[in-house]
Amino acid sequence: ETGVTQSPTHLIKTRGQQVTLRCSSQSGHNTVSWYQQALGQGPQFIFQYYREEENGRGNFPPRFSGLQFPNYSSELNVNALELDDSALYLCASSSGTSDWNEQFFGPGTRLTVL
Amino acid sequence: AQSVSQHNHHVILSEAASLELGCNYSYGGTVNLFWYVQYPGQHLQLLLKYFSGDPLVKGIKGFEAEFIKSKFSFNLRKPSVQWSDTAEYFCAVKTAGTYKYIFGTGTRLKVLA
Repeated sequence: ETGVTQSPTHLIKTRGQQVTLRCSSQSGHNTVSWYQQALGQGPQFIFQYYREEENGRGNFPPRFSGLQFPNYSSELNVNALELDDSALYLCASSSGTSDWNEQFFGPGTRLTVL
Repeated sequence: AQSVSQHNHHVILSEAASLELGCNYSYGGTVNLFWYVQYPGQHLQLLLKYFSGDPLVKGIKGFEAEFIKSKFSFNLRKPSVQWSDTAEYFCAVKTAGTYKYIFGTGTRLKVLA
């Protein structure tokens, strides 16, 4: 069974650019959540996708957007990058949205904005 | 707004010492509580969780946590730590029936051999 994978591992962008991060969910999982983890902080919830629809969103501006595909893989897009967007971006997948569905995390993509 | 506080940012212990990591949350409704661990070079993984029932929950690798509702706390404990417990530990809270996990800032534990 393949776990959650993310690409790329590292990325360097400049202010104002746009970035797309990718996540492949664990086999059998239809729910993907994205988190931002700044240095020295815990993960902060960005949004969740369930069966290709955004299911909920944290306190992030609209320039953070996402997609989920029919195979349940997902993308996180960030437009107009700012220096504070530098962080580790984590993807987590689960087999549903109920309280009992454990989320499994990927290794993350480290984004540096210069 | 919900928040989670982890009181210890860095903890250094010798092997066989007892461990207790504090976690307090701010929400008064029904919550699900979690401890996650991130070993060096590895993904975040679930250590244990509490949904309801017995407030003392046991997780993997000998860890346990106690939910004290009156104190809004969910402290993590281990009677005797090992060098392999060196990791970062995150407490997380989720309002029951919702999708949004709130994580604490984490505690870095270093166990000296």
